[in-house]
Amino acid sequence: SQQGEEDPQALSIQEGENATMNCSYKTSINNLQWYRQNSGRGLVHLILIRSNEREKHSGRLRVTLDTSKKSSSLLITASRAADTASYFCATDVNTDKLIFGTGTRLQVFP
Amino acid sequence: DAGITQSPRHKVTETGTPVTLRCHQTENHRYMYWYRQDPGHGLRLIHYSYGVKDTDKGEVSDGYSVSRSKTEDFLLTLESATSSQTSVYFCAITDNSGNTIYFGEGSWLTVV
Repeated sequence: SQQGEEDPQALSIQEGENATMNCSYKTSINNLQWYRQNSGRGLVHLILIRSNEREKHSGRLRVTLDTSKKSSSLLITASRAADTASYFCATDVNTDKLIFGTGTRLQVFP
Repeated sequence: DAGITQSPRHKVTETGTPVTLRCHQTENHRYMYWYRQDPGHGLRLIHYSYGVKDTDKGEVSDGYSVSRSKTEDFLLTLESATSSQTSVYFCAITDNSGNTIYFGEGSWLTVV
């Protein structure tokens, strides 16, 4: 499987703290994406970073990509209780499909 | 809301019975996908379609078949359900860029 692996599997922090989660993958990619899933819901796209990009920002989200290490990180700054969710990275195996990792469960306590 | 509707949303069925899950999109997108989500495995691709009557297998296609007779509908069939197919099933479509996937709300299937 060319699945991505997120680390840590679970993360608990207080509101206002930053949350960092990492993703490692196995093969060369064109792009890497991060998705969020609230309990009992479908996944929602957060951000896409292309293989020729090293860093990307979107609001309180910061994504980095290191293609030499085949890894990416998602940083959520100034976390809120509403950020509590599972976060998944996804890599494009080819132009037809995305392969998802196993996810990081983030719990933000008020 | 990307205009994706899954049905049924919840189903309990007995081992050995056939089950069909339906995904309907209103976006007229070419690509549609079926994933299953299980604890410890994340989302795994079952089958996908790149057009009417054009489908291909994903990572975990054994025991599943799909059909796409219209652009808007993508059906997932379990010919003879097994307990290992108890899972949450997500349908997804891609936008015209082919990069971003939009997911439905999921179908919870329990095979007893």
